[in-house]
Amino acid sequence: GQQLNQSPQSMFIQEGEDVSMNCTSSSIFNTWLWYKQDPGEGPVLLIALYKAGELTSNGRLTAQFGITRKDSFLNISASIPSDVGIYFCAGQLTTSYDKVIFGPGTSLSVIP
Amino acid sequence: DGGITQSPKYLFRKEGQNVTLSCEQNLNHDAMYWYRQDPGQGLRLIYYSQIVNDFQKGDIAEGYSVSREKKESFPLTVTSAQKNPTAFYLCASSLDSRPLNYGYTFGSGTRLTVV
Repeated sequence: GQQLNQSPQSMFIQEGEDVSMNCTSSSIFNTWLWYKQDPGEGPVLLIALYKAGELTSNGRLTAQFGITRKDSFLNISASIPSDVGIYFCAGQLTTSYDKVIFGPGTSLSVIP
Repeated sequence: DGGITQSPKYLFRKEGQNVTLSCEQNLNHDAMYWYRQDPGQGLRLIYYSQIVNDFQKGDIAEGYSVSREKKESFPLTVTSAQKNPTAFYLCASSLDSRPLNYGYTFGSGTRLTVV
């Protein structure tokens, strides 16, 4: 079945460093969402992308909808300790408007 | 403030017992969802409901049951038929049945442990 791959699986970075992570699939997606999950909590929406090539920012976060419509990227600039958590991508397939698939997540640890 | 409330936060169950997880929202959202989260895996859809008194199976519905008698409430029962129920369960809602147009709002989750 369709699935999303996220890389890296986990990251350990120094405070102040920039972070890049991506989400890929063999299927074409209509929409991409990026969520962050703090330990023991539910995910919170960070950024939504609706068009191929779209680049959207939310503070220190920037995400892009890949032009092939099979991938998306999330960048975090100047990381801080509260950036710690799991980052999930989610996508909506072109074949099913109500079918949403979540990636396995990228775990981010920030070393002060 | 509007939001989704899941209770309890932690739940322990003996093997062979059914248990019900609560999910209540005051966002006036039409659609509600239950996801299961296991370490290293993405969220997997258990059941979803687009309107009151109607619900559909997700990808891993076996061993689970739901009801949607009120717009605000979407309880999930983990039955004894679920072979590996220990997991983190997340409830979510969206304004309508097109969740990516408006985004999901998630609850804070219930961690179920079978002892």
